[in-house]
Amino acid sequence: SSELTQDPAVSVALGQTVRITCQGESLRSYCANWYQQAPGQAPTLVIYGENNRPSGIPDRFSGSTSGNMASLTITGAQAEDEGVYYCNSRDSDYNQLFGGGTKLTVL
Amino acid sequence: QVQLQQWGAGLLKPSETLSLTCAVSGGSLSGYFWSWIRQPPGEGLEWVGEISHSGSAYYNPSLKSRVTISVDTSKNQFSLRLSSVTAADTAVYFCVRVSLVDITATGLGYFSMVVWGKGTSVTVSS
Repeated sequence: SSELTQDPAVSVALGQTVRITCQGESLRSYCANWYQQAPGQAPTLVIYGENNRPSGIPDRFSGSTSGNMASLTITGAQAEDEGVYYCNSRDSDYNQLFGGGTKLTVL
Repeated sequence: QVQLQQWGAGLLKPSETLSLTCAVSGGSLSGYFWSWIRQPPGEGLEWVGEISHSGSAYYNPSLKSRVTISVDTSKNQFSLRLSSVTAADTAVYFCVRVSLVDITATGLGYFSMVVWGKGTSVTVSS
């Protein structure tokens, strides 16, 4: 299958923990990347590989994969974490795939 | 610090060819793939395709018949051409640096896209 499925929207109270999930058969072969996108901005990579953060990404962001599902967890969500989160991987033909995005609201 | 600067025509008529270029500064084309990713207004991200510094290209199957991505190592640039555009091609187009695929200790492939251009808005309208 060449699809990645995400919930359209999730909300979290300020300072609480939230998990955003991504499901797809490609995740059995490739780790998910996770991107945060603010309105009018290019996406920012927050997690790649099994659980790697690029320089400058806070350690409250973490990732995990099990079977055909990947998760992004934000432990102690902050107001600046609001935005749309996209998962991304590759299929068996090397094509890149993106999930439809999850809009995170911090209450 | 690698930066990507992109440019190209922002308004096209149906059936015309979209042409965008992305210049790489602060680094070389070697050792990475170079991708175009687009985002229609109010929608999600869509991979258009990518190319290596040596010219090996991969395209989104749904766009393959209309897309050409090329690389100019002498100018440290890569380009996108999308022919026969329609309103459905209206989007912000991002150029992106893609790391090579590596393998985790558990055998999963992984890659990363850290460096993104600012995006070019392209509108197709008669």
